[in-house]
Amino acid sequence: GQQVMQIPQYQHVQEGEDFTTYCNSSTTLSNIQWYKQRPGGHPVFLIQLVKSGEVKKQKRLTFQFGEAKKNSSLHITATQTTDVGTYFCAGRRGSTLGRLYFGRGTQLTVWP
Amino acid sequence: DTEVTQTPKHLVMGMTNKKSLKCEQHMGHRAMYWYKQKAKKPPELMFVYSYEKLSINESVPSRFSPECPNSSLLNLHLHALQPEDSALYLCASSQPTGEGYTFGSGTRLTVV
Repeated sequence: GQQVMQIPQYQHVQEGEDFTTYCNSSTTLSNIQWYKQRPGGHPVFLIQLVKSGEVKKQKRLTFQFGEAKKNSSLHITATQTTDVGTYFCAGRRGSTLGRLYFGRGTQLTVWP
Repeated sequence: DTEVTQTPKHLVMGMTNKKSLKCEQHMGHRAMYWYKQKAKKPPELMFVYSYEKLSINESVPSRFSPECPNSSLLNLHLHALQPEDSALYLCASSQPTGEGYTFGSGTRLTVV
């Protein structure tokens, strides 16, 4: 069964609007990673969160890891057409070489 | 060099063929991975190599045979595949300490 749930599956926004995708695990995660995959491309690593309650920012992107280390979110402020793609969270339980469980992804469409 | 190089980029093979996918990285990463990705789905883990030794096999059918000749190279040997094996095959690498993965651009495989 799916280890990491991610919603929504699709999100369509107008350029300039904000966007958020959420991930949730039924079990505590040792860390969570976020990836972006452009249409026709491959996943590209964005960030890793490790600490409970951690918040990291990359320009217009804000990543959060929940206090219980079971959920995470990615928020994009003022989307641009270059933000188009599928955003995946990937959570790991246990050891550093343990399985990375990918969420099903959120496909973001931005129209100008 | 911060890339993972995969060859070929596209492959069409018959169900009786034998072919190999190749992956190379020169980032000094000691963990390498094979993933399979179907359209609009997240990557699915197939194999993990750590320090050139197979550490995880996600119950992949024996028609897929991985090989890690050295710390920079990872191969996936294919034999007697089925049409449902058609997918994007992604190679990735990382440090064994569990940071983010660097994915190659993938091999788009079609089995006819």
